[in-house]
Amino acid sequence: KNQVEQSPQSLIILEGKNCTLQCNYTVSPFSNLRWYKQDTGRGPVSLTIMTFSENTKSNGRYTATLDADTKQSSLHITASQLSDSASYICVVSLTTDSWGKLQFGAGTQVVVTP
Amino acid sequence: EAGVTQFPSHSVIEKGQTVTLRCDPISGHDNLYWYRRVMGKEIKFLLHFVKESKQDESGMPNNRFLAERTGGTYSTLKVQPAELEDSGVYFCASSPRTGSFLSGNTIYFGEGSWLTVV
Repeated sequence: KNQVEQSPQSLIILEGKNCTLQCNYTVSPFSNLRWYKQDTGRGPVSLTIMTFSENTKSNGRYTATLDADTKQSSLHITASQLSDSASYICVVSLTTDSWGKLQFGAGTQVVVTP
Repeated sequence: EAGVTQFPSHSVIEKGQTVTLRCDPISGHDNLYWYRRVMGKEIKFLLHFVKESKQDESGMPNNRFLAERTGGTYSTLKVQPAELEDSGVYFCASSPRTGSFLSGNTIYFGEGSWLTVV
């Protein structure tokens, strides 16, 4: 069972609308949580990084939240644009000496339609 | 500044053959990682170099996979002999050494090397 679960698996939204993606993790110990955007056929691109002590982090129209007590995170996309169509991946880092040993979720595929 | 570059971008080989994937990290990044995504699965960690040393290779699936980073610059990942289940996308990523461990560093990914074993 993946230690990083994302929902929904996919969603379709109209251009200009908002949406929220969910991530639940069971990884422990935990150091930081990242959200990545991956366009089709491309590599993942970092959107946000949050430590266990941070509750929210924004990057333009993307806002990530983190509740380390319930082990939940969300990514909110405001005023979606066609270019937001991509897979959004929740990624958790373990507290080890290898902080690049990331645990990836399966991603949420977002399609923004005109 | 150039990002993480990977070569080849696509490769189709027959079962039993050998393939070598190359990764050039961002200049000055001591940390280099290999990940892969096989069909229908999430991206998974393979290994981590700090300069030329293997820091963590716990994700390497078996001894058919060999990663090297001679000189601490570019890295290669060799699969020999390739099996059908090795098909997938192999991502290389890099990050600088500096920064807080807990906050982590931004990890920059390459575009991936798509491997198809037939």
